Amino acid sequence: QIQLVQSGGEVKQPGASVKVACKASGYTFIDYGISWVRQAPGQGLEWMGWISSYNGNRNSAQRLHGRFTMTTDTSTNTAYMELNSLRSDDTAMYYCARDHSSGSRAYYFDYWGQGSLVTVSS
Amino acid sequence: EIVLTQSPGTLSLSQGERATLSCRASQSVSSNDLAWYQQKPGQAPRLLIYGASSRATGIPDRFSGSGSGTDFTLTISRLEPGDVAIYYCQQYGSSLLTFGGGTKVEIK
Repeated sequence: QIQLVQSGGEVKQPGASVKVACKASGYTFIDYGISWVRQAPGQGLEWMGWISSYNGNRNSAQRLHGRFTMTTDTSTNTAYMELNSLRSDDTAMYYCARDHSSGSRAYYFDYWGQGSLVTVSS
Repeated sequence: EIVLTQSPGTLSLSQGERATLSCRASQSVSSNDLAWYQQKPGQAPRLLIYGASSRATGIPDRFSGSGSGTDFTLTISRLEPGDVAIYYCQQYGSSLLTFGGGTKVEIK
């Protein structure tokens, strides 16, 4: 069955970086993209960005530009997201999701990881 | 960026009633590229509808989506206790994806 299994939660100090892994199984990894979505405590969903597992094309929300990086490793079917210069308002549950995309842009998300809680606190 | 506004913020209905959730876009959503998700407490979201009206795999036909352009609707025909959740719309008609703020559905 299709699964996305994410790395565990992390506690980081302001200004630090965090890297979250998302290991996919049960489907051909390069046939779909991966999007990252976060949710602050008690808040709604915020799309962060998308990466094509096929050709590496990517796009991300403008407010994160310069702090947010997405990569994929097709040898291990794993996607990664890294967020730098962490602030307290980056505290959130971070989800990866299989994006029903072509190689050119993001679409919608049919399978989700279990989430990774990132807490930014001094 | 396309802004999605969902209404009402909270919908409180009796079991068996019909729930109608609205999602309005600040500009026309290309090709009706709009999806709906259900999120129960402590869980990841689940895809319900894509392409404005196509049900995702395994979604019961009590859930239906409609609309075009800037106005979209999710309808739950007969509300069940398991439908208690927050429902989000999401547009993918532009390269910068956005979500609506969500509608919370409760059972009276």
